[in-house]
Amino acid sequence: GENVEQHPSTLSVQEGDSAVIKCTYSDSASNYFPWYKQELGKRPQLIIDIRSNVGEKKDQRIAVTLNKTAKHFSLHITETQPEDSAVYFCAASLSGSARQLTFGSGTQLTVLP
Amino acid sequence: NAGVTQTPKFRVLKTGQSMTLLCAQDMNHEYMYWYRQDPGMGLRLIHYSVGEGTTAKGEVPDGYNVSRLKKQNFLLGLESAAPSQTSVYFCASSYSTSVWTEQFFGPGTRLTVL
Repeated sequence: GENVEQHPSTLSVQEGDSAVIKCTYSDSASNYFPWYKQELGKRPQLIIDIRSNVGEKKDQRIAVTLNKTAKHFSLHITETQPEDSAVYFCAASLSGSARQLTFGSGTQLTVLP
Repeated sequence: NAGVTQTPKFRVLKTGQSMTLLCAQDMNHEYMYWYRQDPGMGLRLIHYSVGEGTTAKGEVPDGYNVSRLKKQNFLLGLESAAPSQTSVYFCASSYSTSVWTEQFFGPGTRLTVL
C-alpha cells in the first residue's frame, strides 16, 4: 500500500515569511496529491491539489510542486499571515477505482505576528 | 445545501457499549468514506463505499462495521467500544468521475470511550 511521510511536524514562521512543507510517497502509481488545511476544531478543507501530469500549480499565495521521479511533493505558502496558522495534511492517491487517499501525519504551522 | 453532516457531534461511551455514527450528504456523491483522526497520525481510512449497497475495508477496519442503504447516508457502527477507539471520526464524500476530485469532509464526531 501507499505510505506518505510528511515533514516537519511543527513549523513556526514570522508573519510575512514563507513556509514549506514536504511529503514523500512510496507508490509510483499515485497520480493525485491534494493538500488539506484543518483549523483547530474544524473539518479538513482542500486548499490545493496537483495531478501527476503537472509539475507545479499555484493559487495566489499557495503553490505545490511535484517531483514524480523522486516521489516527493511540497506545499509553499508565501507572505504568511496569522490566519494561515493551522494543521496542514498532504495526501497521495491509491491505485484503484474508489478514489482512496493516504494522508500524511500533518504539520502544525504557526505564524507569529 | 448542507454539504456533509455528521451526527452526533460528541459522544461518551463506556467500554463494551455500542453506537452508530451517521453521515449524510446532499451533493449526490457516489463515494463516501469514514476516517479516524488521532494526534500525530493524520487521517486513517476505516471503511469506504463506492455506491449504494456497497462497502469495503480501508486501512483500519477492525472493530467497526458500516452500511450504505441509501446513497446519501453512510453509517459507522461500533459493536463493542474499546478505549482504543477514542478518536475524532470524520466522514467524507466525493464524486465518481474519471478524474480525481475533492473529498468533502463533515464536521467530525468526537468519541470518548471510558
